[in-house]
Parts: sequence; structure tokens; C-alpha cells
Amino acid sequence: EDQVTQSPEALRLQEGESSSLNCSYTVSGLRGLFWYRQDPGKGPEFLFTLYSAGEEKEKERLKATLTKKESFLHITAPKPEDSATYLCAVQARENLIQGAQKLVFGQGTRLTINP
Amino acid sequence: DAGVIQSPRHEVTEMGQEVTLRCKPISGHNSLFWYRQTMMRGLELLIYFNNNVPIDDSGMPEDRFSAKMPNASFSTLKIQPSEPRDSAVYFCASSLSGLLYNEQFFGPGTRLTVL
Repeated sequence: EDQVTQSPEALRLQEGESSSLNCSYTVSGLRGLFWYRQDPGKGPEFLFTLYSAGEEKEKERLKATLTKKESFLHITAPKPEDSATYLCAVQARENLIQGAQKLVFGQGTRLTINP
Repeated sequence: DAGVIQSPRHEVTEMGQEVTLRCKPISGHNSLFWYRQTMMRGLELLIYFNNNVPIDDSGMPEDRFSAKMPNASFSTLKIQPSEPRDSAVYFCASSLSGLLYNEQFFGPGTRLTVL
């Protein structure tokens, strides 16, 4: 069974204090690993997709990396507006004839950036 | 360009009543997903459709839950009869699915409270 574990559950940082969020996964053949951001009262917002070990993607102060067992979301010099819950999800490489494949989500990391 | 549209945004009902949640996916997307989010269980996939056809409904908790997609621009999730444990935020997401594209885009959600 595909599984995603995120750590820590919650993280509180000072503005400008860089850190990393972890996403460990087990999946029967990874097709893609996805990072989403969710603000309170809103739906998850897509950030990145990573497809193969060694791949990296960046967006503003965020950088996502991928290995064969885990992914990291690095946050450099965060600002209060980066406060949100960050969700990681995996998609298995199943029968592509079926089309879209489901995502399995982790529980998320709740990030708070204090000014 | 409009994103995924869900209605209603909030629903309060009494135990035993029928509840219908509605979703309009992003125009041109061919896959639609229904999720439920609670503090205890996180984000769970209930059912998903490809080209209006249900592909995997293994996440639907009970026979009280049913989903339909009569055309490419509309889907419903129905709960009959509703119970207090169904209280959660229900999200609809859509994607343009194929070999290259897999990102799912979420709607704002429907917060359901069953008294």
C-alpha cells in the first residue's frame, strides 16, 4: 500500500530562518511526487511535481528535491506569508490506460513564520 | 480563467437529511476527483472519474455516499442519509490527465456540518 509520512507535524520559525520539511514515501513505482500549499479555509494549491530522483524545482523561496525514498521542501529566508500547511502526495505508476492516477497525501506540515 | 467551482461553500444539515455537493471542473480537464479532509484522517480520496467514467470508488466510505458525473462540466457527491461523522470539508479537484500532465487543481471546498 502506498504511504506518505511528513515531518515535522508542525514547525515554527522566525522570519529569515531557513529550514526543511521532510516527506518520506513508499510507493509501488513512483510516477510523480507533488507538493501543495494549503491556507486555512482554502483548497490545496499546487506547487511542484518531481518525477525522478535527483530532480530539483524552485519557486521563489521554496526548493523541492527528490530521492528514491524521500523529498525535501527547503524554505530559504521565509517570510510570514509563507505560513501555511504544506502537503506532499505521491502518484503510483499504474496502468496508464486508465488515465489519471490517484494521489496519496501525507498529513501535512503546519508551518508558522513569526515576524 | 475560472478554477474549480464548488457549491455550496458551507452546508449545515440535520442527521438523516440528504446532502448534495456540486462541482464544476476546469474547462478542458478530463479527470475529476472528490476528496474529504478531516483533522483526524487528513485528505482522503473518495472517488475519481476519467472522461466522466468512475475509475476508482474504493474510498467511498459507505453505500450512503454516491457520486455522478453526467457530463464533462458537472459532478455531484450525494450523502443520503447524512450522519454527524460525515462532518468534514469536501474538496473537488480536476486535472488534464495524460502521460505528461498530472497536476490536480483543487476547488475551495464545501464545509459540511451534520448536527
